[in-house]
Amino acid sequence: TQLLEQSPQFLSIQEGENLTVYCNSSSVFSSLQWYRQEPGEGPVLLVTVVTGGEVKKLKRLTFQFGDARKDSSLHITAAQTGDTGLYLCAGARSKETSGSRLTFGEGTQLTVNP
Amino acid sequence: DAGITQSPRHKVTETGTPVTLRCHQTENHRYMYWYRQDPGHGLRLIHYSYGVKDTDKGEVSDGYSVSRSKTEDFLLTLESATSSQTSVYFCAIRRTLLSHEQYFGPGTRLTVT
Repeated sequence: TQLLEQSPQFLSIQEGENLTVYCNSSSVFSSLQWYRQEPGEGPVLLVTVVTGGEVKKLKRLTFQFGDARKDSSLHITAAQTGDTGLYLCAGARSKETSGSRLTFGEGTQLTVNP
Repeated sequence: DAGITQSPRHKVTETGTPVTLRCHQTENHRYMYWYRQDPGHGLRLIHYSYGVKDTDKGEVSDGYSVSRSKTEDFLLTLESATSSQTSVYFCAIRRTLLSHEQYFGPGTRLTVT
């Protein structure tokens, strides 16, 4: 059972376009992370959101945590070819500091064409 | 750079043979994790460790064992490799107990023929 559903699974756009990737769940998460992964490499952490309704910006990337802490979105403005990659969301369900298991979504493969 | 190395980076092995993958960290962190990544499944936790000789199972632990005899090394063993264990394996660390953030190694691509 996939606790985190990402959509879309694949996205191909032209350079300069805007896009939004969604990460949804029926479960509440104490925090949620977004990672970006390039071929042949491990995922790299982009951001962590903790508070319901929180919005964080990283240059052209805007991350939002839902008010109920069950969903999140990643919005990219004016996409560039360098944004191409696999975007993964991951949620931590426990507020406990021990263990800290993350549940990952399946990922969104983004291709930005020149 | 998360200070994590994985070895080997690529391995091809035959069904039924034992395989050990190594994760090495240089930062002395307590928590280490092993994941596998497969198309359509994202990253799934195999085992994790919260200290030397302290380990616990993840969601896909069947067929895998782990050991952690030193803080810096976390080993993943496939006792008898099967074709269903063909995957890319990632090790991760957790740098602080104040956050759930994890930092990943470069991965090991394992093919079981």
